[in-house]
Amino acid sequence: DVKVTQSSRYLVKRTGEKVFLECVQDMDHENMFWYRQDPGLGLRLIYFSYDVKMKEKGDIPEGYSVSREKKERFSLILESASTNQTSMYLCASSSPRAAYNSPLHFGNGTRLTVT
Amino acid sequence: KQEVTQIPAALSVPEGENLVLNCSFTDSAIYNLQWFRQDPGKGLTSLLLIQSSQREQTSGRLNASLDKSSGRSTLYIAASQPGDSATYLCAVNIFTSGTYKYIFGTGTRLKVLA
Repeated sequence: DVKVTQSSRYLVKRTGEKVFLECVQDMDHENMFWYRQDPGLGLRLIYFSYDVKMKEKGDIPEGYSVSREKKERFSLILESASTNQTSMYLCASSSPRAAYNSPLHFGNGTRLTVT
Repeated sequence: KQEVTQIPAALSVPEGENLVLNCSFTDSAIYNLQWFRQDPGKGLTSLLLIQSSQREQTSGRLNASLDKSSGRSTLYIAASQPGDSATYLCAVNIFTSGTYKYIFGTGTRLKVLA
């Protein structure tokens, strides 16, 4: 079974702090994604990556950056945390080699609160 | 622009009922459609994936159908149980601007009463 692991389930940070959210997958997937989920807004794509050192902006990249130095690890960085970044953050991975038949697999999420 | 809609937003049924959850999408050019389950405070668990060339997929008490021409998918849950209580989301996989993207609905929150 594919395992996507997010390093923290809950985080509380102060406004202005630099925050790192880590995600690791064990299935050698090329594709990795970061979403945030908010009530009434659903899942929104922040950034994604299709290969090591490669990144693409999603729908809401402002205030975030990402890093993918190794294939299995995809990090989301909040450069200067703000209260409107309080949210549930979800990491996901998939394989593009058979995109029509490749499920998207999610981690358990990180609930981030910025005070 | 692809949009995915799930109606109703919430549903409450007595245990043992068979039920249908709906998912609609506006553009039929999809690679696949995936149904997920999300328990409170957790991530999404993949339930079923239907390829664009398929009409349905089954797993245990779950059956998902896909009608691309009408832009609809349904998730059928047979003999519902309290343990089925969760939020169910659908997502379509599309190819746009040179990349694959997943477009999610906002989910149907299901409560099965014992």
